[in-house]
Amino acid sequence: ETGVTQSPTHLIKTRGQQVTLRCSSQSGHNTVSWYQQALGQGPQFIFQYYREEENGRGNFPPRFSGLQFPNYSSELNVNALELDDSALYLCASSWGAGGINNEQFFGPGTRLTVL
Amino acid sequence: KQEVTQIPAALSVPEGENLVLNCSFTDSAIYNLQWFRQDPGKGLTSLLLIQSSQREQTSGRLNASLDKSSGRSTLYIAASQPGDSATYLCACSGYSTLTFGKGTMLLVSP
Repeated sequence: ETGVTQSPTHLIKTRGQQVTLRCSSQSGHNTVSWYQQALGQGPQFIFQYYREEENGRGNFPPRFSGLQFPNYSSELNVNALELDDSALYLCASSWGAGGINNEQFFGPGTRLTVL
Repeated sequence: KQEVTQIPAALSVPEGENLVLNCSFTDSAIYNLQWFRQDPGKGLTSLLLIQSSQREQTSGRLNASLDKSSGRSTLYIAASQPGDSATYLCACSGYSTLTFGKGTMLLVSP
């Protein structure tokens, strides 16, 4: 069984640039969630995709957007990067639309630094 | 809005001690509660999941309990080892979201 993978591992960008982060879900899972974890904080929910549709969104501005592909992999796009976007971005996969099925398994994360 | 608090923020114990980590939440309408371990700069490793209808779950030296009515969960670690040193996070499940606490940073010294 293949676990959740994320790429790249680390990324350095300049304020105002755009970035794309990628996630492959665990085999057998059809749902992907994205989280932002600032240093010393717990992860904050960005959004979730279920079968290629957005299935919930946290309190993040529209410059945070996402996609899910037919193979259930996913991308997180962030436009107009700000210094406060520097964080560890975590992807999690699960099976089903949520509720009692909402057991999430996390990838290793992408460390984004915005200068 | 769900709020999750973890106490203590940090804990240092000698090897072999039994210890309890606490998690409290404000909204009892949860689907489940998960406990995770996070090593520095790494992703989250799922330790235990307790469904809302359950009272506890056990895995090896770990035991997690859930009391929805009081909005509390505890993670009990028996016979702690230096390899248990990490940050422990609890997360409450809404329909699609997980709401996390800030974690308890645990250091187990030899």
